[in-house]
Amino acid sequence: AQKITQTQPGMFVQEKEAVTLDCTYDTSDPSYGLFWYKQPSSGEMIFLIYQGSYDQQNATEGRYSLNFQKARKSANLVISASQLGDSAMYFCAMRGLRGGGNKLTFGTGTQLKVEL
Amino acid sequence: DTGVSQDPRHKITKRGQNVTFRCDPISEHNRLYWYRQTLGQGPEFLTYFQNEAQLEKSRLLSDRFSAERPKGSFSTLEIQRTEQGDSAMYLCASSLLGLDNEQFFGPGTRLTVL
Repeated sequence: AQKITQTQPGMFVQEKEAVTLDCTYDTSDPSYGLFWYKQPSSGEMIFLIYQGSYDQQNATEGRYSLNFQKARKSANLVISASQLGDSAMYFCAMRGLRGGGNKLTFGTGTQLKVEL
Repeated sequence: DTGVSQDPRHKITKRGQNVTFRCDPISEHNRLYWYRQTLGQGPEFLTYFQNEAQLEKSRLLSDRFSAERPKGSFSTLEIQRTEQGDSAMYLCASSLLGLDNEQFFGPGTRLTVL
């Protein structure tokens, strides 16, 4: 079984500042993938970034980086230089990479609001 | 075809009625997933297909729910005898076998059961 915990229901950040969204996970799979998705008010889930459990380096995609600490079972998302358009719901998710488990398990999300 | 599409975007129905949703994945994607998202929660996995084969179903998928992907392209999700607890956003996603690190989601179908 897999579990994702996001303990921040809401976060505020000022425009142009960096913000970290927390995510911890639990799994018995030896190999797994971690994901972050953005969900604006329109409802569509937008893929942001992926980290494999055996990747040696932390993933980065533009202004997004994933702070992966395997021993702590954490996969925090860092957004640098926040923009007003970053205001949205953010979900951390994972899937096992063995045993055919292709489904994603999501956390409850963090509502991010970027302020002027 | 620039993304996953779902139809309808919104559905309001009365308790006890049957509803059917459609999902058209990205054309070359052979894997298709259905998720359900209730208010204030993250999406929960319902079922997934590889081509036309339904490979996994969640325990959330009661007997009233059925999904098909007859030709390995579009998929339908039917809910029979809807209940108020079925009110949710139903999300479809697709991916390419071997490149499952990115599941592309559609805009969802919001179901309201009165």
